[in-house]
Amino acid sequence: DAGVIQSPRHEVTEMGQEVTLRCKPISGHNSLFWYRQTMMRGLELLIYFNNNVPIDDSGMPEDRFSAKMPNASFSTLKIQPSEPRDSAVYFCASSRGQGFNQPQHFGDGTRLSIL
Amino acid sequence: AQKVTQAQTEISVVEKEDVTLDCVYETRDTTYYLFWYKQPPSGELVFLIRRNSFDEQNEISGRYSWNFQKSTSSFNFTITASQVVDSAVYFCALSGNDYKLSFGAGTTVTVRA
Repeated sequence: DAGVIQSPRHEVTEMGQEVTLRCKPISGHNSLFWYRQTMMRGLELLIYFNNNVPIDDSGMPEDRFSAKMPNASFSTLKIQPSEPRDSAVYFCASSRGQGFNQPQHFGDGTRLSIL
Repeated sequence: AQKVTQAQTEISVVEKEDVTLDCVYETRDTTYYLFWYKQPPSGELVFLIRRNSFDEQNEISGRYSWNFQKSTSSFNFTITASQVVDSAVYFCALSGNDYKLSFGAGTTVTVRA
């Protein structure tokens, strides 16, 4: 079975530009998570979807960040406008059920650099 | 609030040595799940194992073994006869009565040939 697929793998853009990260979860998984990983803060949960509905977006840093899940097989994380401090690796993960007791399977991540 | 502590920041060993990674957790939930993830230099996060709070049976899987002790809130992970390919950052994580996975800071393991 295919794992979680993220695109792009790398993104370099200038401050102020809009950035869109994409994720395709594992088929049959109904929970989807977006994480951000930095050296200073480690792995942080940004937002959690269950059955395509955002359940908790308390980890989203500010209004510049938004996430959507229009269907069970696709999600986006958008940053507009981007800032240098948004530079990080962004991971998407999916799991079965509500994500409580099932392992989350991660994509390869998107390495984002904002100049 | 849940907390996962990995006190070891870095461990360096020579190939074929055993490596034990420590993980201590805090939670008020009576039912919870513990996980280990591996992040190799290529960057992806790979799920290794899951344990629930009612299952204290330790397990061996190939060169990996896990020691879960509820009395000390520890969930340690051992790599036996380490290999260069085991070089990675290893994360311990905890999930309680919600969906949130709390990660430790990670332990960087370097296996030298």
